[in-house]
Amino acid sequence: QKEVEQDPGPLSVPEGAIVSLNCTYSNSAFQYFMWYRQYSRKGPELLMYTYSSGNKEDGRFTAQVDKSSKYISLFIRDSQPSDSATYLCAKGETGAGSYQLTFGKGTKLSVIP
Amino acid sequence: DADVTQTPRNRITKTGKRIMLECSQTKGHDRMYWYRQDPGLGLRLIYYSFDVKDINKGEISDGYSVSRQAQAKFSLSLESAIPNQTALYFCATSVAWDSQETQYFGPGTRLLVL
Repeated sequence: QKEVEQDPGPLSVPEGAIVSLNCTYSNSAFQYFMWYRQYSRKGPELLMYTYSSGNKEDGRFTAQVDKSSKYISLFIRDSQPSDSATYLCAKGETGAGSYQLTFGKGTKLSVIP
Repeated sequence: DADVTQTPRNRITKTGKRIMLECSQTKGHDRMYWYRQDPGLGLRLIYYSFDVKDINKGEISDGYSVSRQAQAKFSLSLESAIPNQTALYFCATSVAWDSQETQYFGPGTRLLVL
């Protein structure tokens, strides 16, 4: 079982819709979570970062972590055509000199005008 | 200018050839990474380096080697390319402070092995 599971989609929504993107992960001692956005033919760029349970907001974007159910979500309000991209969730773990960052497969989102 | 650059951006090569992908960064970060991205498989870590003298294997290092020539440069080599190494390759950098580590990705190198 891959450590981070993400539905690859594709997901197509009308402009203005609320988008919900989700990932599940396997347990680990210490972890932090990120959402990256990747436009076509570009490298991923960090969108949201959190390492606690609960919600974190940044403009139209909300990242939610539920550690009890090992579920991470990204909500996009008032979606725009410019939000059309692939969204990658990631789980990170660091410890005494060790490192692991695991990405989900990505969900491709299209926002239709 | 881009903070993380990769050369070449596109490369076509033949089976058995040796090729090198290069990554340079102007962010001053100590940590550098090489990933490959395949449809349906997502991003997978090939190698990573926490500083010039530190090289570590990632999830899929077989068939690859790396060189950290300087803090700002991290090269990925395919000693004898094979078709299943056809993929999109990304270099990334990061700096760790407290417990947070944000990775910054280059634009990618699209590699086709015939």
